[in-house]
Amino acid sequence: DTEVTQTPKHLVMGMTNKKSLKCEQHMGHRAMYWYKQKAKKPPELMFVYSYEKLSINESVPSRFSPECPNSSLLNLHLHALQPEDSALYLCASSSGGRIGGYTFGSGTRLTVV
Amino acid sequence: AQTVTQSQPEMSVQEAETVTLSCTYDTSESDYYLFWYKQPPSRQMILVIRQEAYKQQNATENRFSVNFQKAAKSFSLKISDSQLGDAAMYFCAYINGANNLFFGTGTRLTVIP
Repeated sequence: DTEVTQTPKHLVMGMTNKKSLKCEQHMGHRAMYWYKQKAKKPPELMFVYSYEKLSINESVPSRFSPECPNSSLLNLHLHALQPEDSALYLCASSSGGRIGGYTFGSGTRLTVV
Repeated sequence: AQTVTQSQPEMSVQEAETVTLSCTYDTSESDYYLFWYKQPPSRQMILVIRQEAYKQQNATENRFSVNFQKAAKSFSLKISDSQLGDAAMYFCAYINGANNLFFGTGTRLTVIP
């Protein structure tokens, strides 16, 4: 299995809702990442998990809450989002060796109404 | 801090022709890796080609090759025999010593039949 799987593919939520994005990989990668990508922009790093511990939080608002229950799963819990949070959320994983780069999922398209 | 710049927001190429996408970067590190990723409308980031900074030889992957000029901090991508399926956003990316991946601003490539 050489894939990163993200669910759901599309999500529409109200500003008072609570929802979660899920990411899963079975490549044995020990680092996992969340990126946010606005339209026609590059992905921006949000969170880095290394060996299931949060190692980087790029000044992301607390309405985004990451969780890494085990080495294969990464969640992003969403609460009280704003319309400007609408974006494509990409999950990625890496083995930790830089030459391999990252493997990306196909993303969750989030719309906040 | 590392920055990655792509000066061509959009490029077009005739099918079967060759096109070169430009990328420059800025870093104080001596050991790093560079990548080109492709993002088609399906949204998934696909690794196209990678280059290790300590290797002088330019990387090649089938129709894709790079021109890596370390002193000039330049990393361009050449696509030969362009195909319709090459149409996508192309992102140049840099991975730092902490194994964090940062993207350039992207170039949208259109392939004209």
